[in-house]
Amino acid sequence: GAGVSQSPSNKVTEKGKDVELRCDPISGHTALYWYRQSLGQGLEFLIYFQGNSAPDKSGLPSDRFSAERTGGSVSTLTIQRTQQEDSAVYLCASNIVGGSYNEQFFGPGTRLTVL
Amino acid sequence: DQQVKQNSPSLSVQEGRISILNCDYTNSMFDYFLWYKKYPAEGPTFLISISSIKDKNEDGRFTVFLNKSAKHLSLHIVPSQPGDSAVYFCAASGGGSNYKLTFGKGTLLTVNP
Repeated sequence: GAGVSQSPSNKVTEKGKDVELRCDPISGHTALYWYRQSLGQGLEFLIYFQGNSAPDKSGLPSDRFSAERTGGSVSTLTIQRTQQEDSAVYLCASNIVGGSYNEQFFGPGTRLTVL
Repeated sequence: DQQVKQNSPSLSVQEGRISILNCDYTNSMFDYFLWYKKYPAEGPTFLISISSIKDKNEDGRFTVFLNKSAKHLSLHIVPSQPGDSAVYFCAASGGGSNYKLTFGKGTLLTVNP
C-alpha cells in the first residue's frame, strides 16, 4: 500500500480496559507521529519517533499512554485502563525528516469510543 | 493555551467565489506553516505550506499568505468548488530537530453549488 494504514478503524471498549492501536507508516519513512483529535478540537500531538533516537513523548497526556515502534516501522499506541475522556480519533502520520516542508502523511485514523 | 487559532468554526461560500480561511498564531518560534484538508472519516491531507521567510505561496487555486508581524496567515481558494467542502486545519512547526505540528481547531468550509 502506498499510504499510512491504521487498524482497527473503529474500537469500542469499556472503561478500564486496555486498548492497542496500530500504525503502518509509509515504507521508507523514518519519522512517525501519533496525534489525537477529540470532538470539536484540533489535532493534539502525542508522541514522535525518529529513527533510533529516543522518542519525544512530551504530548502523552498521562502514564496510561505508551507507544512503541518496532524495527523502525510499525508502531503501536497502547492505552491502559481507558477512561471516557480518551474517546477520540487517533491519527498516525509519517514522513522523512528533512523532506519537503515538514509535510506529514496521515492515516485514516482509529475512532476510539470508551463507554 | 492555544498557540494556533482558527476563530471561524465554519464558512459558507458560493461556487466560483473566493474562500478565505484565517489562522492566527502566538508562538514566534514557529517557522513553517501548513494547511491540511480533511474529509469525514479520512485522515488530513496536505494542501499547501509556507516558510516564515516568505509572505506568499501559490499552488493552482490555492494561495497562502503570511503576515509575520501580525502572526496571521490565510488560505485563499479561487475559484471555490463544491469538492472543496471539507474541514481545513492550519498547522505550524517549530522546525529544528522537532517536527511536531501544532494544529488549530479547524474551519468547516461549505461551497454551495
